[in-house]
Formats: sequence, structure tokens, C-alpha cells
Amino acid sequence: EAGVAQSPRYKIIEKRQSVAFWCNPISGHATLYWYQQILGQGPKLLIQFQNNGVVDDSQLPKDRFSAERLKGVDSTLKIQPAKLEDSAVYLCASSPRTSGDQETQYFGPGTRLLVL
Amino acid sequence: QKEVEQNSGPLSVPEGAIASLNCTYSDRGSQSFFWYRQYSGKSPELIMSIYSNGDKEDGRFTAQLNKASQYVSLLIRDSQPSDSATYLCAVNRGGYNKLIFGAGTRLAVHP
Repeated sequence: EAGVAQSPRYKIIEKRQSVAFWCNPISGHATLYWYQQILGQGPKLLIQFQNNGVVDDSQLPKDRFSAERLKGVDSTLKIQPAKLEDSAVYLCASSPRTSGDQETQYFGPGTRLLVL
Repeated sequence: QKEVEQNSGPLSVPEGAIASLNCTYSDRGSQSFFWYRQYSGKSPELIMSIYSNGDKEDGRFTAQLNKASQYVSLLIRDSQPSDSATYLCAVNRGGYNKLIFGAGTRLAVHP
């Protein structure tokens, strides 16, 4: 079974530029998550999708971040314009369902973003 | 107060010893608890999950949960250098499977 795929793996941009990340979850997984992990911290949930609907985006900085999940499968996360403090690893994860609280989340390799 | 608190470490143990990693959480409504391991430059991978008070063992790993004390721990027996990583405690408050992560404890196992 293929795991969660993410691209690109690394990205360097200058502040005020825009950037987009792509995620393909494990086949058949209904729920997709985007996390931000700043160096030395644990992952912080940015947005959670169930199929193509948003379940939780309470911690997404909506003035600069946006995300969509096309047809309930792939997802893109965009930052426009980027700030220095957006430098982090962006992790995508997926789980089979949303209901219940015992779902394992499977993480992709992440995208390392450096904003100069 | 952080929702999930862990000692950042580093926790240094000799090879073959027991490593004890601790985590406290603030929301009494939390339902399930997870330990993820994260090697440097890699993504988190699930080690253990626990949902009921008491101990849960899986190989060299034992998770312990005490909901009354809002405390969850991970014991690693016969620690190996390959166990050197950051261990993330994550708490699910129920509902939509939203995980709240601690900042992680860095474990170093030295030969």
C-alpha cells in the first residue's frame, strides 16, 4: 500500500512570494490533514478535510493560507504572501475515516519550506 | 498552560536501559492518546496508542495511561541506539479525530 505522497520536498522562497504544496493521501482515506511543524515544536493542525469538506480550519491563518481538496482526494495548501515565520515543515496526513477518536493518522514525508 | 506538555530533554540513557517518557494533558475530556516517534528530518510514525487506563504493551514498548492524573507515559525497555529520536505525545479530544501534539522529548541512547 502506497503511503501519503507530498511534493515538493523542499522549497526556498523570498518573503512576500507565494508557494503551493501538494498532497496525495493513502488510497481510500476519507480524512486529510495539513500540519505545520516549526523547528523544535510538535505538529500543529492547520486544516482537516473529510472527503472534500472542511471539518476544522480554526488554526489556519486565512489571510494568507488557503487549502482545497480536489474531488475528495488530492489536496493543495497555498501560502500567499509568505512571511519569514512560515518557515517550517508542512506535513500532510490521512486517516480512513473521521468519526471516532481511535483513528491512526499516517504522515507523509513533509515539505520543508524556508522563507528568506 | 499548554494543552499537551512534555519535557523537551534531551533524555540520555545507556544502551539496554529503560527509557521513561512522560506527558501531561489539560483537557479532561480527552479520549485517546498516541505516541509518535520522529527521527531527525523525517515525519512522525505511530509507535503506540492507548485508550483505557492502565498499561498497554507492544514488544519493547509500554504505554501507561492515568486519566485521573491526566498523565500518559511511554516506557522503552532494552533501549537501543536506533531508538534515539524525538517522541511526540498526541492527544485526541474526541469528535473529529483532531490531534493535539506536545513539543516532543528528545531521547538519546548511547552505547
